[in-house]
Amino acid sequence: DTGVSQNPRHKITKRGQNVTFRCDPISEHNRLYWYRQTLGQGPEFLTYFQNEAQLEKSRLLSDRFSAERPKGSFSTLEIQRTEQGDSAMYLCASSARGSTDTQYFGPGTRLTVL
Amino acid sequence: GQNIDQPTEMTATEGAIVQINCTYQTSGFNGLFWYQQHAGEAPTFLSYNVLDGLEEKGRFSSFLSRSKGYSYLLLKELQMKDSASYLCVPAPGQNFVFGPGTRLSVLP
Repeated sequence: DTGVSQNPRHKITKRGQNVTFRCDPISEHNRLYWYRQTLGQGPEFLTYFQNEAQLEKSRLLSDRFSAERPKGSFSTLEIQRTEQGDSAMYLCASSARGSTDTQYFGPGTRLTVL
Repeated sequence: GQNIDQPTEMTATEGAIVQINCTYQTSGFNGLFWYQQHAGEAPTFLSYNVLDGLEEKGRFSSFLSRSKGYSYLLLKELQMKDSASYLCVPAPGQNFVFGPGTRLSVLP
């Protein structure tokens, strides 16, 4: 078990560009979560998947954000037409089953929008 | 809605004991987690309480009172590496709710 991995670890982009992040959860974990974290704040929930189904999306997730988990394994988070306010750490976490299971976090992708 | 209240910052001395308190209000309750997060790193799991009482795990213990909406994390024999943010995370339903956490500084 190699834990949750995320790629890339760092991304610098210009305002208006599209970016895509990837998360590989712990194998056989059914749930996968995306969070965003800015300096001095706790992680903010964005969305989560139960297998390949996206079950909930936060209001923080504007129409510029989209997430997929096509085969119930890895997931991607895409941000279109990036804005400077999108600069943050994007964290992915996975858990075995449901809400009472421990979430294991990946190292995160730090996005800087210039 | 959800509301989590923790002290923003705490300072303690190496070798000492520190208690980080958390009060919460949630629309549902499926347990409460504590996570540790070092600067620039992802949160890592420390403890999970779903029933009232104290759970001890090495130098760290976590207490829960569901009726009071109250939990605390107790850190004993503090080490410099314990300098981090500590996140009290109620699980109201399907998702976790993270507050800003308590930033603990351990001084020599």
